[in-house]
Parts: sequence; C-alpha cells; structure tokens
Amino acid sequence: EIGLTQSPATLSLSPGERVTLSCRASQSVSSSLAWYQQKPGQAPRLLIHNVSNRATGIPVRFSGSGSGTDFTLTISSLAPEDFAVYYCQQRSAWPYTFGQGTKLEIK
Amino acid sequence: EVQLLESGGGLIHPWESLRLSCAASGFTFSTYAMSWVRQAPTKGLEWVSTITSGGTSYYTDSVKGRFTISRDNSKSTLYLQMDSLTADDTAVYYCANNFQYGSSWSGYFDSWGQGTLVTVSS
Repeated sequence: EIGLTQSPATLSLSPGERVTLSCRASQSVSSSLAWYQQKPGQAPRLLIHNVSNRATGIPVRFSGSGSGTDFTLTISSLAPEDFAVYYCQQRSAWPYTFGQGTKLEIK
Repeated sequence: EVQLLESGGGLIHPWESLRLSCAASGFTFSTYAMSWVRQAPTKGLEWVSTITSGGTSYYTDSVKGRFTISRDNSKSTLYLQMDSLTADDTAVYYCANNFQYGSSWSGYFDSWGQGTLVTVSS
C-alpha cells in the first residue's frame, strides 16, 4: 500500500497569503495524484487531477506541481472560502490511498 | 447537473448487514466507473470500492469478502452490500463518480454525494 504523508497537519494563515501544502508518497506514484478540498459538513471536492490539472470550475489561484514522490498544492492568494481541509490521493496502485489531510485555518 | 444521493445508512449492530444505495442523475450513469469512499468520525478519507462501467469491481483489503459493490444501470443506481459489519466500519459513506479522461475512467473521484452515516454499535 502506498502511504501519503501530508505536511503540515495544520496551517494558520490570513486571507491574501500564499500557501503551499506538501504531500509525500512512500513510493513513486508518477503523475497519478489528485487534491481535494473538504469543508466542515460537506463532501470533498476534486480540485486538481494528475498533479497539475484543475478540475472544472476550480479557480486559477489553485495550482499543483511535483512528480514521483513529492507534490505540492499552492494557493496563490487565500480567499476566505479556502479555509478547509485538503487531501491528496494517489491512483497509481491499488488500493487507492489518501493523505491524512492538512487543515487550513484562519489566523 | 450531476447529483448523487446516498441512502440506507443507520445504526446497526455488529455482525449485521446493511445495503447502501446511491441514486445518480445528470450524467450517463452506465458509462461511468463509480466508487464508494468512507470517512470515519473526525478522520480522513478512505477509498472502499470501485466498479467499472463494465462491472469489474475492486475493494480495499479491509472489506474484501464482506462488502459487495454493484450497479443497476437501468435505475442509475449504485449499491454497496455490507456484511459482517464491525465498529471499524462506522463512517460516513460517500458515493462518487470517477473522473474520466475522454471515455477512459480514472481513479480520481469527481462528483460526490452528501454521504450517508453508518454507525455500528451494540
């Protein structure tokens, strides 16, 4: 099973700041990585697929990069609605796995 | 607009069975792979099972032999039959359609339902 480790666990930031979230895989997942956003009481939402491709309707302030084992999700300027939990997920090998999440909270 | 509506959750005793349903609309259900993903209370996301449009199914190890995913394309409905439930299965269960690249399915989860809570407790 491929483990995904996200860091940090929690980030306290202010609107307008730039943020980079990290996801590290226990073995290479090539470019088979996605990012999701989940707000309290809501279902997750697909943000990014195959490392860097924004899903439909996702604002351009969200971007993804990386390859192999190290990946990042960057939000260029935090909007108030971006404070949520973010998960990475790999589809390179069964079973599909998620990271444990990074919580973005308002400072 | 894609809509996925889960139902069938509730409080159930250990070792009993439960069947979840997910009614889909707003897309051509029969052509999409579909999945179940669960989230234990205050925990992260865990992929449970996927079924392709052709009916091939995949499971995470912890549910193999106990859970069965199926679909009824005539009803645009996805199912998850869960047997021999334990407390470790307590979670919100989400159904999702798998993101497609053209006509090829992927292991990413595109649209999600609102989830249905399954609580296993004596």
